[in-house]
Amino acid sequence: QKEVEQNSGPLSVPEGAIASLNCTYSDRGSQSFFWYRQYSGKSPELIMFIYSNGDKEDGRFTAQLNKASQYVSLLIRDSQPSDSATYLCAVYSGGGADGLTFGKGTHLIIQP
Amino acid sequence: EAQVTQNPRYLITVTGKKLTVTCSQNMNHEYMSWYRQDPGLGLRQIYYSMNVEVTDKGDVPEGYKVSRKEKRNFPLILESPSPNQTSLYFCASSLSRLSNQPQHFGDGTRLSIL
Repeated sequence: QKEVEQNSGPLSVPEGAIASLNCTYSDRGSQSFFWYRQYSGKSPELIMFIYSNGDKEDGRFTAQLNKASQYVSLLIRDSQPSDSATYLCAVYSGGGADGLTFGKGTHLIIQP
Repeated sequence: EAQVTQNPRYLITVTGKKLTVTCSQNMNHEYMSWYRQDPGLGLRQIYYSMNVEVTDKGDVPEGYKVSRKEKRNFPLILESPSPNQTSLYFCASSLSRLSNQPQHFGDGTRLSIL
């Protein structure tokens, strides 16, 4: 059973600080990694995706991937109250069935 | 506007009364899927479809049926709904089921089965 683990939180961060969200995965053959943001009662919205080891930056968001440690993270710089949401990590491992597994999400709260 | 459209958005119904949740996408995507989301359990895949007439079970298919007769539509059918199917449902689509294709989600359907 492929697993994607996230700390459920809540993770509380002061406005303007860096929020760090973490995700570990069990399948060493995983190929692609996605971060989705989900506001309460709304649909998941893609924030970032990363395929290669290292960092990928997009505006205030940076995704970091370390395949050797089976670890992917999302950093949010200059956190804003509007960043308060649940962040879902999704990992694509390929192979049989669908190959895409979602974590249960981390609830992030940005304190004004 | 590129989108995934689900209907209805909200539905309250009773045990055993067949219902269908429709899903339509206008992006010519090959891949479509259905998820349910429950507190503490996260997103779990019900069924997915790689293309027209090709469907397969996800992690929690029991009690559900799907069909993919046209590329744009992927309805979710509950033949005999039960209270444990009360949940928030999402339809999603992506260009293909390649590893680098993110999914686009519909707005969700909140089902309550009494």
